[in-house]
Amino acid sequence: GAVVSQHPSWVICKSGTSVKIECRSLDFQATTMFWYRQFPKQSLMLMATSNEGSKATYEQGVEKDKFLINHASLTLSTLTVTSAHPEDSSFYICSAGTSGGRTDTQYFGPGTRLTVL
Amino acid sequence: AQSVAQPEDQVNVAEGNPLTVKCTYSVSGNPYLFWYVQYPNRGLQFLLKYITGDNLVKGSYGFEAEFNKSQTSFHLKKPSALVSDSALYFCAVRDGSGGYQKVTFGTGTKLQVIP
Repeated sequence: GAVVSQHPSWVICKSGTSVKIECRSLDFQATTMFWYRQFPKQSLMLMATSNEGSKATYEQGVEKDKFLINHASLTLSTLTVTSAHPEDSSFYICSAGTSGGRTDTQYFGPGTRLTVL
Repeated sequence: AQSVAQPEDQVNVAEGNPLTVKCTYSVSGNPYLFWYVQYPNRGLQFLLKYITGDNLVKGSYGFEAEFNKSQTSFHLKKPSALVSDSALYFCAVRDGSGGYQKVTFGTGTKLQVIP
């Protein structure tokens, strides 16, 4: 149980285009989803926390107009990287929790490798 | 503020030997502690967690971790390492003292098990 999927697993795009990444909880309802960014050989950096039906809460330094997050249902959250540039190239990982903000365990998706040319 | 320290970037251990991956934490309230494992180009997999109760926590794949409040540590251990245990391990903490607190991850420790 508690499986989280991400799509696509990897994407290559041209600079200036927008890319949408989907995160789905397959066998449970995720009241809270988290979006992380991971640079090579570094830890996970929390970008934002999203609760179903409400606006995402972004961490300090994360541009909310560039990284659009939508959590339209209890099983789906999307991250859209708008007007992507090479510096946005990274590994993006989502996770989902089942108890709102008090989740004890996060279930992670397999990640999406974004390369911006 | 909360933080996690994983002092070793890499740990090398021979197959069959016991392994330890170190983690220390700092949190103002009650620590909720987690270990996750990441294989190359994959997301994180949950191994184990400490919320309350016994200080020795047993998790997946034969791993266990010991919560030590006085030393603010939560080291990951396994009695006999397997080559397939080679991966990147992350320790994480959040403040469990009421209200929502985000989880803070350590920088990761690469475990290399040598055949």
